[in-house]
Amino acid sequence: NAGVTQTPKFQVLKTGQSMTLQCAQDMNHNSMYWYRQDPGMGLRLIYYSASEGTTDKGEVPNGYNVSRLNKREFSLRLESAAPSQTSVYFCASSWGQGTNEKLFFGSGTQLSVL
Amino acid sequence: DQQVKQNSPSLSVQEGRISILNCDYTNSMFDYFLWYKKYPAEGPTFLISISSIKDKNEDGRFTVFLNKSAKHLSLHIVPSQPGDSAVYFCAASVFQGAQKLVFGQGTRLTINP
Repeated sequence: NAGVTQTPKFQVLKTGQSMTLQCAQDMNHNSMYWYRQDPGMGLRLIYYSASEGTTDKGEVPNGYNVSRLNKREFSLRLESAAPSQTSVYFCASSWGQGTNEKLFFGSGTQLSVL
Repeated sequence: DQQVKQNSPSLSVQEGRISILNCDYTNSMFDYFLWYKKYPAEGPTFLISISSIKDKNEDGRFTVFLNKSAKHLSLHIVPSQPGDSAVYFCAASVFQGAQKLVFGQGTRLTINP
């Protein structure tokens, strides 16, 4: 059981380049999330999808777009990468049934923007 | 404004002793609190949680204490083991659930043999 799978694991971009981070979960979860982790900042929510067909902004959505392709897959796109987007990105999923929920995280994507 | 704060970036504890990790929050609407553990090159994994209707929750060597009046929670690990060396994040949410999780900055725990 793979859980939450993210690709790629590492990526180096030049300023202005675009790329898409892929995420897939095999736990039949309804909700999916994208977080970024920066030193001294903890994990901050970029976007989330409470259920298939819906997406909403989190705390730090600027410079990103997302697509909930189907129930399993949730992608994060950087249209024009900036050095401020250098970070570790985590995808997560949950049942999406309300309170007292646990998130299940992927292993992360280390992104450097030069 | 950091709503969930872990003021100790790092903590070093001797194997077999108690590890105490602290977390403070400012939003009185938070009603559910979680601790996640993260090893290098891996994603965070859920460790233990507590609802605001309780002041203590225990799971094996791990106990979380909640002091609502002080807006403070702590994670106790007894006895500490080398495998407990990791970064620990506390997180909090309001009624809306996981979509509204707010994380602290993390505390790096090192267990020394």
